[in-house]
Formats: sequence, C-alpha cells, structure tokens
Amino acid sequence: RKEVEQDPGPFNVPEGATVAFNCTYSNSASQSFFWYRQDCRKEPKLLMSVYSSGNEDGRFTAQLNRASQYISLLIRDSKLSDSATYLCVVRGNTDKLIFGTGTRLQVFP
Amino acid sequence: DAGVTQSPTHLIKTRGQQVTLRCSPKSGHDTVSWYQQALGQGPQFIFQYYEEEERQRGNFPDRFSGHQFPNYSSELNVNALLLGDSALYLCASSLSHRDRAKDTQYFGPGTRLTVL
Repeated sequence: RKEVEQDPGPFNVPEGATVAFNCTYSNSASQSFFWYRQDCRKEPKLLMSVYSSGNEDGRFTAQLNRASQYISLLIRDSKLSDSATYLCVVRGNTDKLIFGTGTRLQVFP
Repeated sequence: DAGVTQSPTHLIKTRGQQVTLRCSPKSGHDTVSWYQQALGQGPQFIFQYYEEEERQRGNFPDRFSGHQFPNYSSELNVNALLLGDSALYLCASSLSHRDRAKDTQYFGPGTRLTVL
C-alpha cells in the first residue's frame, strides 16, 4: 500500500465549478500535511499547509481528518489558471516529505 | 531575494557515466533536500543535508551520494548511471527549526536528467 494515495484524475471541470480532491495516508504518526501545486514540467510549489482545524486561502479550502487519515482540498470558482497537478504531501516525525502521485486538474472554458 | 537555484537545467548522459547536480538554497535557508521525480509520479525523497552532514536518507542505493558546503549549497552525485535514473531531480531548501513541523520546503526548478 502506498504511503500517500490520491486519485490521479484527470478531473475535467468547467470554469466556475467547484472541485474537491481527496488523499489518504497510511502512517498515523504523520505530523504535517500540505498541498503542493505542480505545473507541467515545473517544480512543485507550496499551495497551503493543512491543519486539523481546517484552513482557507481565498478560493482554496483544506481539511484534515486525523481519525480517518484523510486530507482534502476544495477549489471554488475554478479558473483556467488552476489547471495543474495537485500533490498531497505528508511528513512524519522525520524530515522527508512523502508525496502522492498527484491529481491532475484541467479547467476548460 | 533569490529562490532556490539548480544547475544544469538539462543533462544527457549514457549508461555507466557519472553525474553531478548542483543546488543553491534560498537565502537564509540552511537545509537542502533532494528528490527524484520520475514521469507521472510524485517526487521521491533521496536525502537531506544539514550542517554539511547527511541527516536523513530515503530508499536509494549508495550510487546516490551528496555533499553540502559551508555556504549551504549542495551537490547530488550519481555514479554508474542506469536508464531508470532518467528523471527530474529536485532540490528543496528550508530553514531548520527546533520544531521540525515548522520546516517548509521550497523547491528549485529541477534538473532534467536523461540517461541513454
């Protein structure tokens, strides 16, 4: 079983739509959680950290459920520029980041 | 404020050769991590350097080695290249905190290595 699992997609949504991505992780000792965004052939960029209380940054909302070992990302009012791969990332009590394979989002006009 | 930089951008090598990739961390950062990203996969952790020493290592063979210099820059060396080493190699820098959960890693643009 992979340490971090994501649906690879692609998710094809129209502009203005709301889309949600889910991610599960296997190590219950994991301590930090993130969503990174990666554009084609570019480096991953931190989108947001994820906290148990949930957090919001503009159109983006991230949630963490430690009991279910589940992380989510919600994007409201999708823009064409949101098209990218979204990487779910987990860190345990060590320094390495563990990445999922990513979920590809394509927003069309 | 310069971000994380990596060189070269692209590299083509043949099987059995050796390669050295370079990384300069973001200003103010003291920790460098290296990742390998194969096509269609998420990045995989290779190792991390802090205070010029390897602090942690992922599941990669000894052919992969590294170094960190006093100015915090780092090199990744890969010996006896295999076709399967073809990937995007990413360097990430961070500032180590006592509470490691506060460390946020920022990635460089990567070096795309092709092994023929």
